[in-house]
Amino acid sequence: NAGVMQNPRHLVRRRGQEARLRCSPMKGHSHVYWYRQLPEEGLKFMVYLQKENIIDESGMPKERFSAEFPKEGPSILRIQQVVRGDSAAYFCASSSSEGGYGYTFGSGTRLTVV
Amino acid sequence: GENVEQHPSTLSVQEGDSAVIKCTYSDSASNYFPWYKQELGKRPQLIIDIRSNVGEKKDQRIAVTLNKTAKHFSLHITETQPEDSAVYFCAASIGAGSYQLTFGKGTKLSVIP
Repeated sequence: NAGVMQNPRHLVRRRGQEARLRCSPMKGHSHVYWYRQLPEEGLKFMVYLQKENIIDESGMPKERFSAEFPKEGPSILRIQQVVRGDSAAYFCASSSSEGGYGYTFGSGTRLTVV
Repeated sequence: GENVEQHPSTLSVQEGDSAVIKCTYSDSASNYFPWYKQELGKRPQLIIDIRSNVGEKKDQRIAVTLNKTAKHFSLHITETQPEDSAVYFCAASIGAGSYQLTFGKGTKLSVIP
């Protein structure tokens, strides 16, 4: 079992560009969660998705950020018109049922906006 | 919403000594408390967790205690080793299947050989 796979590991974007972060859940998992970690901070919940559905996006900024988890393929976190403040590590996790205890994070994508 | 405070922000101990990290939470409905270890540039890894029906849990050199009345929980690492050096995060969540963890800001532990 390869675990939760995220790519790219590192992503550099210029201000105003778009960033696409991908997360492939563990095999058999249909629930995905995205968290953001700003420098020197703990992780903050962004969004919870099931296949083809956004269940809770209460942690997502209202503008420029969107997420999807299509029927086929990985979950995508999309950030449009990136700004320097979007620089952070973005982690996803997955589970076979809602929530559960101690889900495992992927290795993260470190986004740097220059 | 839930708020988790974590102390201290940095902690240095001599190898072989014990380290204690403390967290408080605000929502009395929280009932699941995991601890994560994060090495530089790597993913947070779950090292131990405790549920609200248990007061203490131990796994080799690591233990966690929970005081629901006072709304605080602590991580104890005994016989510290250099490889224990990392940032440790506490977290809390509400509900048996809650997916939304609220994290503390982390404690940077340095174990001095």
